[in-house]
Amino acid sequence: EIVMTQSPATLSVSPGERATLSCRASQSVSSNLAWYQQKPGQAPRLLFYGASTRATGVPARFGGSGSGTEFTLTISSLQSEDFAVYYCQQYNKWPSWTFGQGTKVEIK
Amino acid sequence: EVLLVESGGGLVQPGMSLRLSCAASGFSFDDYAMHWVRQAPGKGLEWVAGITWNSGNIGYADSVKGRFTISRDNAKSSLYVQMNSLRAEDTAFYYCAKDASSIGAAGGPFDYWGQGTLVTVFS
Repeated sequence: EIVMTQSPATLSVSPGERATLSCRASQSVSSNLAWYQQKPGQAPRLLFYGASTRATGVPARFGGSGSGTEFTLTISSLQSEDFAVYYCQQYNKWPSWTFGQGTKVEIK
Repeated sequence: EVLLVESGGGLVQPGMSLRLSCAASGFSFDDYAMHWVRQAPGKGLEWVAGITWNSGNIGYADSVKGRFTISRDNAKSSLYVQMNSLRAEDTAFYYCAKDASSIGAAGGPFDYWGQGTLVTVFS
């Protein structure tokens, strides 16, 4: 099983500041990496797939990068609606999908 | 509009069974793989099971293999999971999720999710 490790577990950021979230895979997943945003009481929402392709409706302040085993999600200028938990997910090989443990972005 | 609506959750005792359903609409259900993902209260996401468009390929997480069975009825645009021998650690919200990859693709991210149904296993 491919293990996904996210860091940090919690990120305290002030509105308007930049946030950088990391995700590492225990083996290469090529670019088969997705990012999700989850707010309290809601289902996850797909933000990125293919490591860097924005899903429909995702604002340009969100950026995804990386390949192989190292991936990054950046939020250039945090808005109030961006405070949430973010998960990475690899989908490199059927039938095995694994998620990272999540990074909570909270207001500083 | 894509809509996924789960049902069938509830309170059960350890060792008992439960069947969850997911009613899909707003897309060509029989063109896409589908998945179940769970989330224990206050915890992270765990992929549970997935099934290809024609049920030709099915996979399970090790934690549920041999106890859970995923299935689909394309005529009814519905996804199911039969959960047997339930344990306390199966307590979670169970989400139905649509795979973004269509027929012929190997499997992709999950582009639409239902709102989830809560399964509580208690003694």
